[in-house]
Amino acid sequence: DTGVSQNPRHKITKRGQNVTFRCDPISEHNRLYWYRQTLGQGPEFLTYFQNEAQLEKSRLLSDRFSAERPKGSFSTLEIQRTEQGDSAMYLCASSLAGDYEQYFGPGTRLTVT
Amino acid sequence: QKEVEQNSGPLSVPEGAIASLNCTYSDRGSQSFFWYRQYSGKSPELIMSIYSNGDKEDGRFTAQLNKASQYVSLLIRDSQPSDSATYLCAVNDDYKLSFGAGTTVTVRA
Repeated sequence: DTGVSQNPRHKITKRGQNVTFRCDPISEHNRLYWYRQTLGQGPEFLTYFQNEAQLEKSRLLSDRFSAERPKGSFSTLEIQRTEQGDSAMYLCASSLAGDYEQYFGPGTRLTVT
Repeated sequence: QKEVEQNSGPLSVPEGAIASLNCTYSDRGSQSFFWYRQYSGKSPELIMSIYSNGDKEDGRFTAQLNKASQYVSLLIRDSQPSDSATYLCAVNDDYKLSFGAGTTVTVRA
């Protein structure tokens, strides 16, 4: 039983560049979540999908951020025109529909220079 | 997002002692509560979930829930150096989770 996987694990980019992260959930899980975590804080919700439908987006998610889950399997999170404030750990989690327990992937650490 | 408050610590306990972590939440309608363990530089790992008032035990971990007081706690018995980590309390907000900032626990030998 493989867990949630995320790629890349680390990304260093220059301010103004676009970056894309990928998340592969646990195979039977149809809900997929993106969170962001900065040092000393708990994860902060960004968005979530049930199958391919994006059901909720945080008000904190600016229009530079977009997420997709085109076939209800893997998901991508793109950040356009990155800013230094985007530096954080981006976490993906998955769960079964109707189940509140979420399981996290290893995360992608983004550093914007 | 719903507010979840935790003492940031650090909480230092001797090996073999009980570590007690506390969490309060703002929304009286919350139904599901979770404790995650996060080692430095790693992602959160689910260690306990609790849905009903009372105690739930799993190995050396016991979660306690009091919905009337809007309070959830985690006890770690016989603390080991490997328990040194940040413990995150999370509460469901519809299907997403709201997290506290975490309590850092250090188990000293």
